[in-house]
Amino acid sequence: KAGVTQTPRYLIKTRGQQVTLSCSPISGHRSVSWYQQTPGQGLQFLFEYFSETQRNKGNFPGRFSGRQFSNSRSEMNVSTLELGDSALYLCASSGDYRDREAFFGQGTRLTVV
Amino acid sequence: AQKVTQAQTEISVVEKEDVTLDCVYETRDTTYYLFWYKQPPSGELVFLIRRNSFDEQNEISGRYSWNFQKSTSSFNFTITASQVVDSAVYFCALSEETSGSRLTFGEGTQLTVNP
Repeated sequence: KAGVTQTPRYLIKTRGQQVTLSCSPISGHRSVSWYQQTPGQGLQFLFEYFSETQRNKGNFPGRFSGRQFSNSRSEMNVSTLELGDSALYLCASSGDYRDREAFFGQGTRLTVV
Repeated sequence: AQKVTQAQTEISVVEKEDVTLDCVYETRDTTYYLFWYKQPPSGELVFLIRRNSFDEQNEISGRYSWNFQKSTSSFNFTITASQVVDSAVYFCALSEETSGSRLTFGEGTQLTVNP
């Protein structure tokens, strides 16, 4: 069974640009969550999508958005990038609200210059 | 609001020593779930264990064991006879029944096992 796949693995963007990150969950999983990891703030929850609907949202500005497709693949978008958006973005996949184990991808390392 | 505290930022041990990673949590929910994840240098978070709030049984899996105590709101993780391959950052996390799949993570403990 394939794991969670995140693309790209590494990304360098310029301040003010926008970026889209992709996550393909484990086959059969309908929940996809996104997390931001930085040395200063640790692991912080961005949002969760379940069956194409945003089910939960963290405390991030509106520049951070996401969506989920009918095949459960998810994308995360950050507009008007700031230097502070440099981070490891991790995607987690889980079955449903009863299946609490979340399995993570290897992440996308975003650097904003 | 939920919170997870891992007071140990860094731990360094010599191979074959036993080591315990501490985790203390706060939640108002009566039903919640506790997790431990391992993050090697590659960055991926590797799931180790989940514990439900209504199941206080301790668990052992090979060299790993977990001690869940609701009375002290703690969920500690012990590695017996540590190995160099255990070197990683370990995260404790909490999910509340009312929060879907959302995880609240502790700050993480960097474990270094020296040969």
